Amino acid sequence: SQTIHQWPATLVQPVGSPLSLECTVEGTSNPNLYWYRQAAGRGLQLLFYSVGIGQISSEVPQNLSASRPQDRQFILSSKKLLLSDSGFYLCAWSDLAGLVDTQYFGPGTRLTVL
Amino acid sequence: GNSVTQMEGPVTLSEEAFLTINCTYTATGYPSLFWYVQYPGEGLQLLLKATKADDKGSNKGFEATYRKETTSFHLEKGSVQVSDSAVYFCALRRGGGADGLTFGKGTHLIIQP
Repeated sequence: SQTIHQWPATLVQPVGSPLSLECTVEGTSNPNLYWYRQAAGRGLQLLFYSVGIGQISSEVPQNLSASRPQDRQFILSSKKLLLSDSGFYLCAWSDLAGLVDTQYFGPGTRLTVL
Repeated sequence: GNSVTQMEGPVTLSEEAFLTINCTYTATGYPSLFWYVQYPGEGLQLLLKATKADDKGSNKGFEATYRKETTSFHLEKGSVQVSDSAVYFCALRRGGGADGLTFGKGTHLIIQP
């Protein structure tokens, strides 16, 4: 069966510091991968998605970037965090090759920028 | 563009009450529609989905019917339990490919014993 992991689970970082959040998927090949952010009072927003290694699509221009160095690894980064980057970050995967269009979410990372 | 509107709550009900959480959407083409649930401290779990007009998704006693004429996907349950307390998100996915989901803001449901 497929599983999706995210780490760290929680993170407190000062403004201006760098960020690296990691997401990995097991039990599937060539998944579509997604990063979402859930900010307080604002619901869930799609940040990035990827259909393959090195292929990243950005939905919202911002202070963050994403990379996919391996097939089942998706990384969210920032060079300098802003207060507004605080939120709950969720990674998700889907498998269109298997005709399953449902997205499955990881446990999330709660980021607090002080 | 695409958007999803749902009642934000919190919605507070007594155990065994009937539940309706309204969801309407705006989209081009024929999106797939989803309800996700987020229990306290956890990530999102798929609750149910429907991929075409008049489809009914169902799971764990919850149901929602894809109504193209009213662009709605309301979530219902006949008798709620305390364990149903969570945040419920309505979402749509654009027609095809690897497109991400567009979510509503979520409805916080509180069930009192």
